[in-house]
Amino acid sequence: ETGVTQSPTHLIKTRGQQVTLRCSSQSGHNTVSWYQQALGQGPQFIFQYYREEENGRGNFPPRFSGLQFPNYSSELNVNALELDDSALYLCASSLAMSGSGNYNEQFFGPGTRLTVL
Amino acid sequence: DAKTTQPNSMESNEEEPVHLPCNHSTISGTDYIHWYRQLPSQGPEYVIHGLTSNVNNRMASLAIAEDRKSSTLILHRATLRDAAVYYCIPTWDMRFGAGTRLTVKP
Repeated sequence: ETGVTQSPTHLIKTRGQQVTLRCSSQSGHNTVSWYQQALGQGPQFIFQYYREEENGRGNFPPRFSGLQFPNYSSELNVNALELDDSALYLCASSLAMSGSGNYNEQFFGPGTRLTVL
Repeated sequence: DAKTTQPNSMESNEEEPVHLPCNHSTISGTDYIHWYRQLPSQGPEYVIHGLTSNVNNRMASLAIAEDRKSSTLILHRATLRDAAVYYCIPTWDMRFGAGTRLTVKP
């Protein structure tokens, strides 16, 4: 069973640029969530996708967008990068049951460290 | 949203039990209480979750108050590898708070 993988591991961008981060879910999982973790802080929920549809969103501006593909892998896109976007971006997958608001265990990837200069 | 309160930090001696408290007074009646931990330089990892009854697994125990407004994660014998930030998450969409940083002393 393959765990959650993320790419790239590290990334350096400049202000105003756009970035795409990728996540491969654990086999059999249909839900993916993205988090931003600034240094010394807990992960902040960005959004969640369930079967290719956005299923919840945290307090992040529209320049943070995502996609979930039919194979349940996912992308996080950030436009117009700002210095404060520098953080560790974590992806987590889980298997959610249809019609339930109570989700099962999430499995996290190792994260992508984004630095915005 | 459910508001969560955890101590910023706690210390324990190796091989002693640790009780990590969490207050979640506005938790929804149908939401599970999840606990995750994050070891240094790693992504968070699942520890345990429960709804109303106390739960046990190989890593820890979870004691849930009868009114569900608080819970306690219990590590029965802390080891040095248990040093991490522990997050209590009482929401379906996994919104993390600041967590409790647990230090384990040899």
